Amino acid sequence: GEDVEQSLFLSVREGDSSVINCTYTDSSSTYLYWYKQEPGAGLQLLTYIFSNMDMKQDQRLTVLLNKKDKHLSLRIADTQTGDSAIYFCAESIKMTTDSWGKLQFGAGTQVVVTP
Amino acid sequence: DAGVTQSPTHLIKTRGQQVTLRCSPKSGHDTVSWYQQALGQGPQFIFQYYEEEERQRGNFPDRFSGHQYPNYSSELNVNALLLGDSALYLCASSLARRGYSNQPQHFGDGTRLSIL
Repeated sequence: GEDVEQSLFLSVREGDSSVINCTYTDSSSTYLYWYKQEPGAGLQLLTYIFSNMDMKQDQRLTVLLNKKDKHLSLRIADTQTGDSAIYFCAESIKMTTDSWGKLQFGAGTQVVVTP
Repeated sequence: DAGVTQSPTHLIKTRGQQVTLRCSPKSGHDTVSWYQQALGQGPQFIFQYYEEEERQRGNFPDRFSGHQYPNYSSELNVNALLLGDSALYLCASSLARRGYSNQPQHFGDGTRLSIL
């Protein structure tokens, strides 16, 4: 089946680290993504990870993948007020041997950064 | 390098009408996907176009149809609009030519459709 679940809300103090968690169920998923959505805007691609990786780091962002438990997390170091947004976890559903189709999204995690 | 552009940004229609939304993909991309995002929810996949054909479709009725042009731009058409069609419609583009491994989808800012 295809289902992505995320916690709905996270409050964090400016300067602290944020950790957003996600679980997915489709065992055929090979790429997993994190997108950021600010009010009134579309989705901004933050980072993505291939399922043969355990971790990926990109500046303040660290993605951890536990494929056995189908658990994905996004850590934001030194969280800033500009990081306040909705964060979506998504899995890429493979269509054929060399093409990738739809993204299956979670409901999003609202991150609020307080001074 | 222009990103994904969508038009119009906002649209108000009444029940029963028809609407056409437009999308220009990011430069160099050849595949366009459409998503519907209801308020407070994650985007839901409508369909994907590649080489001017619908390649995959989500759980949406036939009232939702699309088209892709030779320049890779795309349209989403919705007929017989219902109140429940009110949502943000997002277009995403990616590169899917043979030989390229997974290329992530890049999104536009969407069209906000309101049905009265």
